[in-house]
Amino acid sequence: NAGVTQTPKFQVLKTGQSMTLQCAQDMNHNSMYWYRQDPGMGLRLIYYSASEGTTDKGEVPNGYNVSRLNKREFSLRLESAAPSQTSVYFCASTQGTTNEKLFFGSGTQLSVL
Amino acid sequence: GNSVTQMEGPVTLSEEAFLTINCTYTATGYPSLFWYVQYPGEGLQLLLKATKADDKGSNKGFEATYRKETTSFHLEKGSVQVSDSAVYFCALRLTGGGNKLTFGTGTQLKVEL
Repeated sequence: NAGVTQTPKFQVLKTGQSMTLQCAQDMNHNSMYWYRQDPGMGLRLIYYSASEGTTDKGEVPNGYNVSRLNKREFSLRLESAAPSQTSVYFCASTQGTTNEKLFFGSGTQLSVL
Repeated sequence: GNSVTQMEGPVTLSEEAFLTINCTYTATGYPSLFWYVQYPGEGLQLLLKATKADDKGSNKGFEATYRKETTSFHLEKGSVQVSDSAVYFCALRLTGGGNKLTFGTGTQLKVEL
């Protein structure tokens, strides 16, 4: 089972460039999430999608946009990358709002120069 | 607001030593509590959980007890192995909060022979 798949695994951008991080899950989960992980700060929620067709802001949404393309896929877009967005990004999914176990992808390491 | 505080790492132990990683929380309401583990190069995985006061979560020799009176959820293992080397995250989820988890900053554990 693939679980949660994120692409790319590594990316280097210049300030001002744009890019999209892709995430797909094959577990028929309803809810999907994007987190960023920074040293000394743990994981912080950027955006989430409780179900297909809905998206909501998390703790740190500024500078990001998301698209829930279908039930399987949830993408994260940086329109104009900034050095402050250098981080490791994790996508996660779960069956529904009452299921507490999150399944995580292996992460995307992004550096913005 | 809701928050989780973990002891700072890294924690370095010899194999077969006793492990405690402290976690305390602040929350409005009655949260569910979790420990997630992140092995090198991977995403987070649920290790154990407890959903109400005095519950004990356990898995793979790890245990944690939900202590409402001290707002704590300390992780323990009686005898660690080199394979337990990882980063451990404490997290909380509020009842009615969907699956939006609030994570601590993580504690790195290194186990040496």
